[in-house]
Amino acid sequence: DAKTTQPNSMESNEEEPVHLPCNHSTISGTDYIHWYRQLPSQGPEYVIHGLTSNVNNRMASLAIAEDRKSSTLILHRATLRDAAVYYCILRDNTGFQKLVFGTGTRLLVSP
Amino acid sequence: DTGVSQDPRHKITKRGQNVTFRCDPISEHNRLYWYRQTLGQGPEFLTYFQNEAQLEKSRLLSDRFSAERPKGSFSTLEIQRTEQGDSAMYLCASSPWTGGTFFGPGTRLTVT
Repeated sequence: DAKTTQPNSMESNEEEPVHLPCNHSTISGTDYIHWYRQLPSQGPEYVIHGLTSNVNNRMASLAIAEDRKSSTLILHRATLRDAAVYYCILRDNTGFQKLVFGTGTRLLVSP
Repeated sequence: DTGVSQDPRHKITKRGQNVTFRCDPISEHNRLYWYRQTLGQGPEFLTYFQNEAQLEKSRLLSDRFSAERPKGSFSTLEIQRTEQGDSAMYLCASSPWTGGTFFGPGTRLTVT
């Protein structure tokens, strides 16, 4: 399984934008970039995914580098409820499509 | 609520006892996964079902673990002769053919 590299932790202030980076230099052509987050004492929550083009949804935006070797999850205005561990995962859209989690980035949001 | 549900949410058992967990996926999802998560770590894949067929099992799934998904609907995960090392959060997830994977709230197992 292709691996991703994320910072262990990041801090933000409430209502400021947050850019969470992810490196995936060994990404293959069939790998989709998925982001999940996990709030304390809850199961992971799907955030967003993309292949090549930037993606937007109600939760966040995903910016994908042109060479696809890195991506950035963008939270446009952080709230206290966004404090969580964010996982960047590469998932092959063929086969079983299991998710291989790393240790993620712990986002701390201050009021 | 049409999300993934798991029962029970918490289970405390004594070493050597058997436990069974249930997962009800999102009804139209044909893919179902079980994961295990220990403190401070990301979830680890255990097993995968496509409809009623169990198509992949992790090396983490020892002989004491068995999972079923009769009729391709709900799934059960049984652990026989529990050990203290089995203490963890057990997460169930489901997904459609493409798109995101949706997780349940998990069952927290404590083996004393």
